[in-house]
Amino acid sequence: AQKITQTQPGMFVQEKEAVTLDCTYDTSDQSYGLFWYKQPSSGEMIFLIYQGSYDEQNATEGRYSLNFQKARKSANLVISASQLGDSAMYFCAMTSNTGNQFYFGTGTSLTVIP
Amino acid sequence: DAGVTQSPTHLIKTRGQQVTLRCSPKSGHDTVSWYQQALGQGPQFIFQYYEEEERQRGNFPDRFSGHQFPNYSSELNVNALLLGDSALYLCASSLFAVEQFFGPGTRLTVL
Repeated sequence: AQKITQTQPGMFVQEKEAVTLDCTYDTSDQSYGLFWYKQPSSGEMIFLIYQGSYDEQNATEGRYSLNFQKARKSANLVISASQLGDSAMYFCAMTSNTGNQFYFGTGTSLTVIP
Repeated sequence: DAGVTQSPTHLIKTRGQQVTLRCSPKSGHDTVSWYQQALGQGPQFIFQYYEEEERQRGNFPDRFSGHQFPNYSSELNVNALLLGDSALYLCASSLFAVEQFFGPGTRLTVL
């Protein structure tokens, strides 16, 4: 069975600094996808970035990058130049090999300090 | 282009009642998934609908049922509500099951 672990319940970062949110996963599938979502207090899950298990290069989307270390089964999110609007819950998720089901971690609450 | 929409936004029910939540997928999407997110937790997969059939189901009791209509919209029904069913219910739609787009959710409170 798939499992996502996020060990940082809460993180603080100074505005304009970079921050890394940790995510490790467990799966016996050879093919899977890894995602990061942002959830503001409004509740909507906002897609940030995707990494396929066969992708050799780390994914990047603007200020977001995913540090994918397959052998360690980790998929950490790096946010560069943090902004006040980045304050939110961040969830790491993965799909099964069929892609039909998402497994989410427990989330990390990020607070950006002015 | 409208994204995923859900109704209602908030709902208050009492134990034992039944509830129906609704979801309209993003334009062009044919697959709808439902998630339950308890306070302080990550979303938990309930089930997924494709071509009007339940394609995959998570670890939820039969009190949770769903339906998908020919226009790809979907309903989530929960019978015999328990206090523990209080949560944010998220609907997500997708086309090729790679990226899921989420709606704003329905917050259900069971008293």
